[in-house]
Amino acid sequence: QKEVEQDPGPLSVPEGAIVSLNCTYSNSAFQYFMWYRQYSRKGPELLMYTYSSGNKEDGRFTAQVDKSSKYISLFIRDSQPSDSATYLCAMTFMDTGRRALTFGSGTRLQVQP
Amino acid sequence: DTGVSQDPRHKITKRGQNVTFRCDPISEHNRLYWYRQTLGQGPEFLTYFQNEAQLEKSRLLSDRFSAERPKGSFSTLEIQRTEQGDSAMYLCASETPTGEKLFFGSGTQLSVL
Repeated sequence: QKEVEQDPGPLSVPEGAIVSLNCTYSNSAFQYFMWYRQYSRKGPELLMYTYSSGNKEDGRFTAQVDKSSKYISLFIRDSQPSDSATYLCAMTFMDTGRRALTFGSGTRLQVQP
Repeated sequence: DTGVSQDPRHKITKRGQNVTFRCDPISEHNRLYWYRQTLGQGPEFLTYFQNEAQLEKSRLLSDRFSAERPKGSFSTLEIQRTEQGDSAMYLCASETPTGEKLFFGSGTQLSVL
């Protein structure tokens, strides 16, 4: 079993829809949680960064962390065709000497105009 | 452009050949990371540097792989005696001084024939 599980999709939604993307994880030691967006043939781009359980909002994006359930989510409001990309969750311990991110496999999102 | 720069963008090589990739991080970032990503998967951590010191290596980094960051600025990743299984996108990333955010380059796509 992978440490971080993510539904690969593809997820297809109409423009303007609310999108919900999710990851589950098995290691309760993970402390920091991120969401990256990756366009085809590009490197991942950081969207959201959270530490504690709860919600964090940035524009149309809301990241949610539930450490008790080992479950994180990313919500995209008013989705746009330009949001079509692969969304990767990532997490880390951030202990001294251990800084590697563990990524999910990514969810491919298609927003239809 | 002040982002993370990787060169070359694409590399095609024959099995058994050696290849070397270069990464130029964002100038004020003293931590630099190498990841590998295959199709349909999230990036997998390979190694990271703090300044010129290599502080962590993944078990994915076999003895055919070597990374250097000689003066704490740019880094190189060399793969010796390439195998078809080495075909992947090799991503470099650098981290903000506060250690919260990782910025990725566009990657080097390696194809081993």
